[in-house]
Amino acid sequence: DTAVSQTPKYLVTQMGNDKSIKCEQNLGHDTMYWYKQDSKKFLKIMFSYNNKELIINETVPNRFSPKSPDKAHLNLHINSLELGDSAVYFCASSIEALNEQFFGPGTRLTVL
Amino acid sequence: GNSVTQMEGPVTLSEEAFLTINCTYTATGYPSLFWYVQYPGEGLQLLLKATKADDKGSNKGFEATYRKETTSFHLEKGSVQVSDSAVYFCALRGLGAQKLVFGQGTRLTINP
Repeated sequence: DTAVSQTPKYLVTQMGNDKSIKCEQNLGHDTMYWYKQDSKKFLKIMFSYNNKELIINETVPNRFSPKSPDKAHLNLHINSLELGDSAVYFCASSIEALNEQFFGPGTRLTVL
Repeated sequence: GNSVTQMEGPVTLSEEAFLTINCTYTATGYPSLFWYVQYPGEGLQLLLKATKADDKGSNKGFEATYRKETTSFHLEKGSVQVSDSAVYFCALRGLGAQKLVFGQGTRLTINP
């Protein structure tokens, strides 16, 4: 059974396009996160939602907009994609914000 | 702010060798410390954790001890296997904080 799933697994698109990445967790967790992993494997948090409310918003361009329709889903929409957005994006979830985080398999985004 | 520094990789060892991956941190108070592992093509998995000074986390033959005096959380394994080849991330979560701060990751390759 998949715990944290992301779609798509790979996304290749042109500069300037708008795209979305979806994340779903079936663990009953109430907190979800988006992380960005760059080409050097450096991993940094972008956003966190607890019970559909934004609780962490790091210094991320406002072209990135997370959307949490319910506790089990946290989607990431990116407008006007740029070359520097190419990375692997990981979704994660936890029971409350202070507990172990479970990660999804990642979405590799390539902007051409 | 909080930060984590890991030994630079890549690290290449022969099967059954002893492994140490160094990790030091900077944080106020007493953070929780974690090691995550990322196998090729997969998301991150929690390997072990420690939440207070002198705690030892252990899992799958890996160990790490929370050393407050040296602000370190070095990962060790007595006899590595080919299947341990992966990228290893040290991370911390500050006291009462909701986000994980990751080190830059260390790629480990074990040759038969």
